[in-house]
Amino acid sequence: GESVGLHLPTLSVQEGDNSIINCAYSNSASDYFIWYKQESGKGPQFIIDIRSNMDKRQGQRVTVLLNKTVKHLSLQIAATQPGDSAVYFCAEASPYGQNFVFGPGTRLSVLP
Amino acid sequence: DTEVTQTPKHLVMGMTNKKSLKCEQHMGHRAMYWYKQKAKKPPELMFVYSYEKLSINESVPSRFSPECPNSSLLNLHLHALQPEDSALYLCASSQDSSGGTDTQYFGPGTRLTVL
Repeated sequence: GESVGLHLPTLSVQEGDNSIINCAYSNSASDYFIWYKQESGKGPQFIIDIRSNMDKRQGQRVTVLLNKTVKHLSLQIAATQPGDSAVYFCAEASPYGQNFVFGPGTRLSVLP
Repeated sequence: DTEVTQTPKHLVMGMTNKKSLKCEQHMGHRAMYWYKQKAKKPPELMFVYSYEKLSINESVPSRFSPECPNSSLLNLHLHALQPEDSALYLCASSQDSSGGTDTQYFGPGTRLTVL
């Protein structure tokens, strides 16, 4: 389930299940979107990106979906593994922008 | 190779100290960034260097002073910091091509504690 409150939003999933992490972005002019994974004590690690001329992009076990109509981005992780446990951040950028604006992050917890 | 390295990994300093954080990349990237990240929060942009010139300063206090000696190196000089400046400081780099926004690759960060 998902919980939001004073703490970082957390999504708990069973090992082997699919995970869906959602992100609402704010700037309708943004044309580049990216997902990062951040494990404890480490820097953000690039997972997958998508540009606004696409609505879906697939990587290895991950898929990013972009819905520009409602300014929504999602990250799907197939067959979630314990190593997927981390905080996931979405980020958006305007055309040719260098200023990445990050979402608040979601903690993914994989249950055995 | 998408590696950005940062030193030191951890730093503890007093409010009167002067210290520097270092960042290096050998990917041929021409844009380098400093971000600050507090616990349970997303990274916040501080500075951007593009082709060794400061292109963005997000109204960062002058006690933080960035420097880009060459296209592979980025420093952040620290002086007279406050305890609330304690955070994870992240460096990132990107291509800075003319084809649109480029992916930013992050280093592992320096965990800074100001006493």
